[in-house]
Amino acid sequence: KQEVTQIPAALSVPEGENLVLNCSFTDSAIYNLQWFRQDPGKGLTSLLLIQSSQREQTSGRLNASLDKSSGRSTLYIAASQPGDSATYLCAVRPNDYKLSFGAGTTVTVRA
Amino acid sequence: NAGVTQTPKFQVLKTGQSMTLQCAQDMNHEYMSWYRQDPGMGLRLIHYSVGAGITDQGEVPNGYNVSRSTTEDFPLRLLSAAPSQTSVYFCASSYSGQVGEEQYFGPGTRLTVT
Repeated sequence: KQEVTQIPAALSVPEGENLVLNCSFTDSAIYNLQWFRQDPGKGLTSLLLIQSSQREQTSGRLNASLDKSSGRSTLYIAASQPGDSATYLCAVRPNDYKLSFGAGTTVTVRA
Repeated sequence: NAGVTQTPKFQVLKTGQSMTLQCAQDMNHEYMSWYRQDPGMGLRLIHYSVGAGITDQGEVPNGYNVSRSTTEDFPLRLLSAAPSQTSVYFCASSYSGQVGEEQYFGPGTRLTVT
């Protein structure tokens, strides 16, 4: 059974600092990994989707890397802003329809 | 496009009551799914559907029923509510469910069972 872990559970940084969020998974037989953002009381918004054949994916200030062999992905957010405060979740997709989610990292960016 | 919509946003039930959580999407997506989110546990898959008339169980299906009569709608039925079903429920969809497809989520339904 795929286990997805996100450490730390919570993170607080001053504005302008770069954010590094970690996601690890136990079964490397995945097809893709997706990073989501969740604001309090809201649904999930997709940030980046990395296919298993890719090493990284970038969108604006966001960069996600994937190392399948070691079962790790990292989400980098450059020059953090208070608007980046949210919970960030990663989810891995095996060769079926069932996403496995981590519990998330709650980020607070202090102005 | 409204995307993925869910109703109601909030619901309080008594133990033993039944209800249906509604989910609809207007993106002509074949694949739809239901998750529940509990504190500290991430999202867990309840049921999913790869097209009209086709459904299958996820990780935590007990106590829930689904059906898919149209491409647009995927309701989740709680047969006899229990306090353990207190949770936030999310519906998601993607174009085909094939690997590589991005998932789109609804805003969620917050359910409390007393």
